[in-house]
Amino acid sequence: EAGVAQSPRYKIIEKRQSVAFWCNPISGHATLYWYQQILGQGPKLLIQFQNNGVVDDSQLPKDRFSAERLKGVDSTLKIQPAKLEDSAVYLCASSLQGGSQYFGPGTRLTVL
Amino acid sequence: GNSVTQMEGPVTLSEEAFLTINCTYTATGYPSLFWYVQYPGEGLQLLLKATKADDKGSNKGFEATYRKETTSFHLEKGSVQVSDSAVYFCALSEYNQGGKLIFGQGTELSVKP
Repeated sequence: EAGVAQSPRYKIIEKRQSVAFWCNPISGHATLYWYQQILGQGPKLLIQFQNNGVVDDSQLPKDRFSAERLKGVDSTLKIQPAKLEDSAVYLCASSLQGGSQYFGPGTRLTVL
Repeated sequence: GNSVTQMEGPVTLSEEAFLTINCTYTATGYPSLFWYVQYPGEGLQLLLKATKADDKGSNKGFEATYRKETTSFHLEKGSVQVSDSAVYFCALSEYNQGGKLIFGQGTELSVKP
């Protein structure tokens, strides 16, 4: 069974630029999560989807972050414009109806 | 709100030593508890879990018991190997909060030969 796929694995951008990350969850997993992991900290939830609907986006900085999951499968997370403090690893995870979560390898973002 | 607190690292042990990584939690309801491991350059992997009080999760020689009375879920292994070197995260989730994971800050383990 293929795992959660993410791309790119690494991204370096200048502050105020925009960036997008892509996630393909495990086949059949209805629930998809985006987490932000700042160096030295545990991951923190940014947004949770159930199929193509948003369940929880209370911790998403909506002035600069956006996410979508249009067909209930793949998802993209966008940052526009990026700030220095957005430097982090962005993790995508998926689960079957809120069961155990399986994580992708993450995208490491560096904002200069 | 819900939270997870782990013992601070880094933890450095010799091969075959006994490992304990402490984890305590605060929750409003009855959470499920998890340990995830992150090997260098890799994503998070589920190591073990427990869904109710007194449950013991186990995998790859690691164990943790869900202790409701002490709100703890300490990770243990009787004999660590160099290949266990990684960052370990304790986490909780509550079904009535959509199942999102709330993580501790992580504990880095380094095992020396």
